[in-house]
Amino acid sequence: DGGITQSPKYLFRKEGQNVTLSCEQNLNHDAMYWYRQDPGQGLRLIYYSQIVNDFQKGDIAEGYSVSREKKESFPLTVTSAQKNPTAFYLCASSISWDSPYTFGSGTRLTVV
Amino acid sequence: DAKTTQPPSMDCAEGRAANLPCNHSTISGNEYVYWYRQIHSQGPQYIIHGLKNNETNEMASLIITEDRKSSTLILPHATLRDTAVYYCIVRAPSMNTGFQKLVFGTGTRLLVSP
Repeated sequence: DGGITQSPKYLFRKEGQNVTLSCEQNLNHDAMYWYRQDPGQGLRLIYYSQIVNDFQKGDIAEGYSVSREKKESFPLTVTSAQKNPTAFYLCASSISWDSPYTFGSGTRLTVV
Repeated sequence: DAKTTQPPSMDCAEGRAANLPCNHSTISGNEYVYWYRQIHSQGPQYIIHGLKNNETNEMASLIITEDRKSSTLILPHATLRDTAVYYCIVRAPSMNTGFQKLVFGTGTRLLVSP
């Protein structure tokens, strides 16, 4: 079955370390997105990519970086510059930017 | 910022219809209304979307008022597995590229009870 996979489900890192969250889709979707969710809050857009080899900053891109070298993959790196990295991170994809999104099951990152 | 207003929580008895309201009084003529839901600690799931006509699929029905300033998501026979946070979203343009992002507010927490 086609879908979008995020790994790992839970991730623990020490403060000051960079960490990369994986997002892979086999839906042949052109567009991919990264959102962050804090407890009791809505989702906030970090980065998005409408096509391979291109990506744009979302609303809260500071302290994050991404790459889109392959259509299927859109990894997110949480750098040490991100002041409050502990959160639930969600990856999504869509056929085009104005199509419904398919979300992954998320990665819960805890920085200690 | 989210362009929609939803009640923070609602209750529904199992087997009954759940009617979730959403106000979007500033919606533009070409903006769609989308509904997603998020079960605890999972990624959001797309439910339905519409522009001006009522829509129905296997999951739910979407009723949009004639002036498009509000809508209602209807789950016709709610089950315990429908307990989730429901997000009503309209497309908002990105500030710098014109890309229309989905803006998720805090949604309505629906609790379906036996």
